[in-house]
Amino acid sequence: DIVMTQSPLSLPVTPGEPASISCRSSQSLLHSNGYNYLDWYVQKPGQSPQLLIYVGSTRAPGVPDRFSGSGSGTDFTLKISKVEAEDVGVYYCVQALQTLMFSFGQGTKLEIK
Amino acid sequence: QLQLQESGPGLVKPSETLSLTCTVSGGSISRSDSYWGWIRQSPGKGLEWIGSIYYLGSTYYTPSLKSRVTISVDTSKNQFSLSLLSVTAADTAVYYCARHLWGSYRYFAYWGQGTLVTVSS
Repeated sequence: DIVMTQSPLSLPVTPGEPASISCRSSQSLLHSNGYNYLDWYVQKPGQSPQLLIYVGSTRAPGVPDRFSGSGSGTDFTLKISKVEAEDVGVYYCVQALQTLMFSFGQGTKLEIK
Repeated sequence: QLQLQESGPGLVKPSETLSLTCTVSGGSISRSDSYWGWIRQSPGKGLEWIGSIYYLGSTYYTPSLKSRVTISVDTSKNQFSLSLLSVTAADTAVYYCARHLWGSYRYFAYWGQGTLVTVSS
């Protein structure tokens, strides 16, 4: 099974400052079709998770462009260019390479300083 | 707009069976591009994918729960269900149902609001 490891697990950020979350997988998530099957979700307080980024770097509809995803193979990064108060929540990376099986990272809790 | 709603008992006794249903509205559960999954979140913990089903009945489960889990679909009612046998306190969690894609793109597109199931005598 593919294991997903996120860091840091806690991320205090001053509004207006950038933030970065790392996600590493135990196996390459690069498919033969060229896609990296790595998605990013955020779970805001009291809400269900919502999709931010899919196939490593494609923003979901409606996601602000201050969010960006990058990486390939086993190393991925989610960046927020300028954190806003509404970005508070827990961020998860998820692999979707293995045949119909998802693995979540532990989550990174972003809080405002 | 697609909506998913979980329903079922909020309290289950240890060793009994947890049963939940997800009702899909605003769209058909029989769409060819969609799979329907269950994800859970234990108190204060992260997310765990439990399993998924395609409307024709193909099922996929996480290995750690495979021996206790059954997911089924009722296309006539636009519903799919989760059954988890022999529950213990470790199965206490918020259970989410969700629609996901599994093609060129693979992600959870829609989520229910979640339902808390507590395992306790």
